Amino acid sequence: GAVVSQHPSWVICKSGTSVKIECRSLDFQATTMFWYRQFPKQSLMLMATSNEGSKATYEQGVEKDKFLINHASLTLSTLTVTSAHPEDSSFYICSAGLDVETQYFGPGTRLLVL
Amino acid sequence: SQQGEEDPQALSIQEGENATMNCSYKTSINNLQWYRQNSGRGLVHLILIRSNEREKHSGRLRVTLDTSKKSSSLLITASRAADTASYFCATDAGSGNTGKLIFGQGTTLQVKP
Repeated sequence: GAVVSQHPSWVICKSGTSVKIECRSLDFQATTMFWYRQFPKQSLMLMATSNEGSKATYEQGVEKDKFLINHASLTLSTLTVTSAHPEDSSFYICSAGLDVETQYFGPGTRLLVL
Repeated sequence: SQQGEEDPQALSIQEGENATMNCSYKTSINNLQWYRQNSGRGLVHLILIRSNEREKHSGRLRVTLDTSKKSSSLLITASRAADTASYFCATDAGSGNTGKLIFGQGTTLQVKP
């Protein structure tokens, strides 16, 4: 299957700092990318849908000013967690849509906010 | 919001046995997918079944879909220790073909050698 990468794979930061996570589709162009958050022993929760060249669509309850999403090109979407706090510590996973039925998931980024 | 409920939440079996996981959902769907997640890793797509299909096979995997009951099952036959992982169902939740997926709670499968 297609390859989606995420960088960094893990990050530790101090409370109040901002963290940027990159999601890249390496061998196909993705007009749509998705960002999920997963807490320990829980399922994936969709945070937002990122569309190339337009504003992201956020799910209910997700603060758009806290989780900034930029989809600058057909192969790159970034998620910036602004002013991170310990409760933002989680596993963040992106996926890139090949078509409406097919998504390829990145390996995830583990964020720990101290 | 979560679309799917899965049961059991956890399943422990011996190698060679079959494992069955169930998923229920609430709204109409175009398709339902099953994914596997090894601990601390990303998701691996296993199989997609469309709303007009009732059963699908892929290797040792068998998926059924009952749209009247809004439920699906994943059967893994002749399980191996390497099948130890969490399994999630995901639906497009009538997303209007946006590709948006809503995941179930997941089943954690442990296969003992």
